[in-house]
Amino acid sequence: AAGVIQSPRHLIKEKRETATLKCYPIPRHDTVYWYQQGPGQDPQFLISFYEKMQSDKGSIPDRFSAQQFSDYHSELNMSSLELGDSALYFCASSPPPRGYYGYTFGSGTRLTVV
Amino acid sequence: KQEVTQIPAALSVPEGENLVLNCSFTDSAIYNLQWFRQDPGKGLTSLLLIQSSQREQTSGRLNASLDKSSGRSTLYIAASQPGDSATYLCAVVQETSGSRLTFGEGTQLTVNP
Repeated sequence: AAGVIQSPRHLIKEKRETATLKCYPIPRHDTVYWYQQGPGQDPQFLISFYEKMQSDKGSIPDRFSAQQFSDYHSELNMSSLELGDSALYFCASSPPPRGYYGYTFGSGTRLTVV
Repeated sequence: KQEVTQIPAALSVPEGENLVLNCSFTDSAIYNLQWFRQDPGKGLTSLLLIQSSQREQTSGRLNASLDKSSGRSTLYIAASQPGDSATYLCAVVQETSGSRLTFGEGTQLTVNP
C-alpha cells in the first residue's frame, strides 16, 4: 500500500540557512499535516492543509512557511535556521472526512542545524 | 486547551507479561483517539484507532479501550515480546480542533528477554 513519502530523510544545514522539506501524501488523502518532534518530546502540530488551503495553524514560527500544491504534495520552508530547529519533522495525511479514519505518518525528515 | 497525559512514562517488564498503558485527556469532546508506536529516531506507526462512539478496538495482541466521558483510554498488550520495545503514544482529535492531533508524551516500553 502507498505510504506518506517525505524527502529528504536527513538534512544538515548551518545556522541562518534555509531548508525545504517535502511531503507526498497518500493518493486521495485530502488533508496534510506537519509536526515537529524535538529530542525526547512528543510531536507538536505546526500547520495543516485541506484541499490545498491552509486549514489550521499551530506553534509554527514566523520563519517557517508551508504550502500545498495542485498535485497535493506539500512543502515546509524554513528560513534563518536556528540550532533549536534541529528536530524530526513529520508529515501526515488523512482521507476524507478529515481525521475520521485516522492519520498515516511519513518516516520523517531529521533536520540538524549546526 | 486539550492536554493528554500518559502513565507511566517508562515501563520495563519481562517477556511474556501482559501490560497496560494509560492515557488520559482533559477535554472529553474528542472526535477519535489513536495509539501509535515509535521506535527510536523513526516514524510513527499507527496501531489502533478508536472513534468517539466506540468502546474498544483490537488488533492481534493489542486491545485499546476508550471511556470518553471519563477522558481515559488504555492500551493492553498481551504476552509481551522484546520486539514490542518502543515508545507508545496516544493522540486525540478534538471535535473543534480542525482535525489536528494532540499527543501525550508517550510511554517508553522495554520488554526484557
